[in-house]
This record gives sequence, structure tokens and C-alpha cells, in this order.
Amino acid sequence: QQPVQSPQAVILREGEDAVINCSSSKALYSVHWYRQKHGEAPVFLMILLKGGEQKGHDKISASFNEKKQQSSLYLTASQLSYSGTYFCGTEVPYGGSQGNLIFGKGTKLSVKP
Amino acid sequence: DGGITQSPKYLFRKEGQNVTLSCEQNLNHDAMYWYRQDPGQGLRLIYYSQIVNDFQKGDIAEGYSVSREKKESFPLTVTSAQKNPTAFYLCASSPGTSGREYEQYFGPGTRLTVT
Repeated sequence: QQPVQSPQAVILREGEDAVINCSSSKALYSVHWYRQKHGEAPVFLMILLKGGEQKGHDKISASFNEKKQQSSLYLTASQLSYSGTYFCGTEVPYGGSQGNLIFGKGTKLSVKP
Repeated sequence: DGGITQSPKYLFRKEGQNVTLSCEQNLNHDAMYWYRQDPGQGLRLIYYSQIVNDFQKGDIAEGYSVSREKKESFPLTVTSAQKNPTAFYLCASSPGTSGREYEQYFGPGTRLTVT
């Protein structure tokens, strides 16, 4: 039930672009994206809701394909501050974890000068 | 400033002892959560509460207990029944539990080491 994130890790040069993917085996009501820097708390980036509504960060974009049960996070013109581990959290509409977020294992992004 | 506080930041305990982790929020959020984070495992939900005096088990509740007597407070007790308690514990809150209200705000975490 845990969503699968890919890649597990990526190294970029400053200014390069990256895409992080999140795939679920369950139908999804929403997908959340968070970034966590080492030793710190996760910070909210984006919510993508079923039906296309989106709320989030103004310098990072994301997509949500409900049919494929997938979401992608797009980081363009990366900055050093983008470094960290990115987690997707998926919300399933029914079942034992209704209304709870199930987080992926994370994608570690390193941006080098 | 509004936010979530967790204390202490580091906690050391001997095996067999119960320990309580504090979580306080002044965001006036209805929902609160406890997550456990282990290296390479992401965040796993322990307990959550959508309203005062009510809480539900998450995916890994065994060996843990919580209470929600006040809206702003959601303490977590790690009991001696938890077989592998050493981990990083994160508390979070959200205004609600659906749609745009589900954005979660995290505290700074407590790193618990049990020897």
C-alpha cells in the first residue's frame, strides 16, 4: 500500500531540472508532497486533489494522473536550497487507512554548485 | 508565532522504561498525528486524532499509547512493549482531514534512543 517513489536518489548541478515520481497501487483521493532537510521536520510543498485542484509552492509544480494513480513533482532550474529528501504522501478514499496519508520512502535530491 | 513544539529534542532511556514525548500546537488545528521515521523507511503513522477525546490507531500503533485531552496537546507514550523504540518521532497537525485542509505542519521531532 506504500507508494513507490522514483528515483531513490538524484544528483543535480545548480540550474538543472529534475522530476520525482510517485506511484500507487490504490485509487487516490489526493497526493501530498513534502521536503525534509537532514535532521529537520518535513515541510509542505504541494497538495494535488482528485479533480485537478492544486495547492502548493509557487516555484515547484506537480501533476496528478488519477487514472494511472501517479503523481510527478517537477523541480525546474534547481537551486542549492532544493537539496533534501522529498516524500510523497497518498490519501486513499476508502479502507483501513481512510483519510490517512501513506508516505513513500523518499527521494534524496542533492544539488551541487 | 504559531507552530508545533516537541520536547525534548533528544531523549535517552533504558530498555523496559515507558517514556512520554510531548507535542503542543498553537495553530488551532483540529487534527494531530504521530509519525515514526526510520532511516530509508519514510514516515509511518502511529496514531492520529481528529478531535479532542478521540483518536485512532495508525499503521504501527502496537507498543504506543496517546491521549487527546486538550485540542493543543497530543502526547505519545512509548511503552516497554514497543520492541524497537529507537527512532525519530515526528508530531504533526492539520486544520482538517480532507481536501486543502489536510496540509500537515510538522514539529521539529524528538530523537529517542533506548539502550
